[in-house]
Amino acid sequence: QVTLKESGPVLVKPTETLTLTCTVSGFSLSNARMGVSWIRQPPGKALEWLAHISSSDIEFYNTSLKSRLTISKDTSKSQVVLIMTNMDPVDTATFYCARIIEGSGSLGFDYWGQGTLVTVSS
Amino acid sequence: DFQMTQSPSSLSASVGDRVTITCRASQGFSNALAWFQQKPGKVPKLLVYAASTLQSGVPSRFSGSGSGTDFTLTIRSLQPEDVATYYCQKYDRAPLTFGQGTKVEI
Repeated sequence: QVTLKESGPVLVKPTETLTLTCTVSGFSLSNARMGVSWIRQPPGKALEWLAHISSSDIEFYNTSLKSRLTISKDTSKSQVVLIMTNMDPVDTATFYCARIIEGSGSLGFDYWGQGTLVTVSS
Repeated sequence: DFQMTQSPSSLSASVGDRVTITCRASQGFSNALAWFQQKPGKVPKLLVYAASTLQSGVPSRFSGSGSGTDFTLTIRSLQPEDVATYYCQKYDRAPLTFGQGTKVEI
């Protein structure tokens, strides 16, 4: 059974750095073609793709947020980590991680975590 | 920057109506286009992948079509449980851009 679960702080202060962890089970991050992305959704607004780490450890970022984002993975812990610096109240959102089997025949993001709401406020 | 433009942003229809949502890409790409359904407070649910393939378990009243820059999600006969926001997304290569969503009401 494939599952993803996000964890991290529910409240951060402006200018602080946010660190979120996505813990996966039911598949291995070391498997070929397994990639994980982070996606966010401000309350009442649209989904926004943030970052992706591929099966071969290549990182991709939303160009408008690239300077603030770092994505990494620890295969031994089955975890993908997102770091977002200089948080602002407009960054208040539900953050999701999602899995994709890359390449030919991909279904796209077929499994998602439940999401974690992060509020930015002093 | 690559953009996915969905239209309309919202619509209201009656039970049994045929509903069509379009997604236009700023550049052509492969058929790696997915449609998601998101109900309030819930996680997005994959409906269609590869532009036209229905995910397992999705009712057959949903269908996807299109290629290149223009893609469409159709609900053949709208049901009350279809009230949701629908998103398109390209997933072939970064940026894995989402459309801005279409809210469907009855």
